[in-house]
Amino acid sequence: DSGVTQTPKHLITATGQRVTLRCSPRSGDLSVYWYQQSLDQGLQFLIQYYNGEERAKGNILERFSAQQFPDLHSELNLSSLELGDSALYFCASSVLRGSDEQFFGPGTRLTVL
Amino acid sequence: GQQLNQSPQSMFIQEGEDVSMNCTSSSIFNTWLWYKQDPGEGPVLLIALYKAGELTSNGRLTAQFGITRKDSFLNISASIPSDVGIYFCAGQLRGSSNTGKLIFGQGTTLQVKP
Repeated sequence: DSGVTQTPKHLITATGQRVTLRCSPRSGDLSVYWYQQSLDQGLQFLIQYYNGEERAKGNILERFSAQQFPDLHSELNLSSLELGDSALYFCASSVLRGSDEQFFGPGTRLTVL
Repeated sequence: GQQLNQSPQSMFIQEGEDVSMNCTSSSIFNTWLWYKQDPGEGPVLLIALYKAGELTSNGRLTAQFGITRKDSFLNISASIPSDVGIYFCAGQLRGSSNTGKLIFGQGTTLQVKP
């Protein structure tokens, strides 16, 4: 158990819908990262927040957004969902903003039908 | 985008054998990490490497940060059935140390025959 929690574990929805994925980092960690894992693209960095502020952006679509709240939990919002958005979404956390030792949560499996 | 080339893609070995996998890139990395992912789970950090030439062990696992800073390898000695899973290398590019952005390899799927 990494100490990072993610909810829900599974999510099934339809194209065009909007969903919110939630992540709670390890106690004491200030940075939260979101990754997408699909069969054809592998693990791709989406976005990082550090202590409530956006720190780095990766290959995140404009339809996707995230935020980190004062209690340090984070949410990833995915809208206008397409079939190709079906993937595993992982949250990771670390102590520092540039820390490389990231600890991953169990993931949310999103299926768009 | 930036890529890490991880090989081999998959391995099927006998219990007790040693395993070696590696990652290479055309870019220079500040940090190399090795993760293992079991089905339905998130990646678990195995080893972190921070200096060129660094050799680090974690039990039966040994990893090295290449001298050129463009490659890394992971060795598993005396494999056991619970070593089964997907192993990922990940790196942080030089110049991105102010963020935590990691680039991942495509993964090596390891199967161990008892």
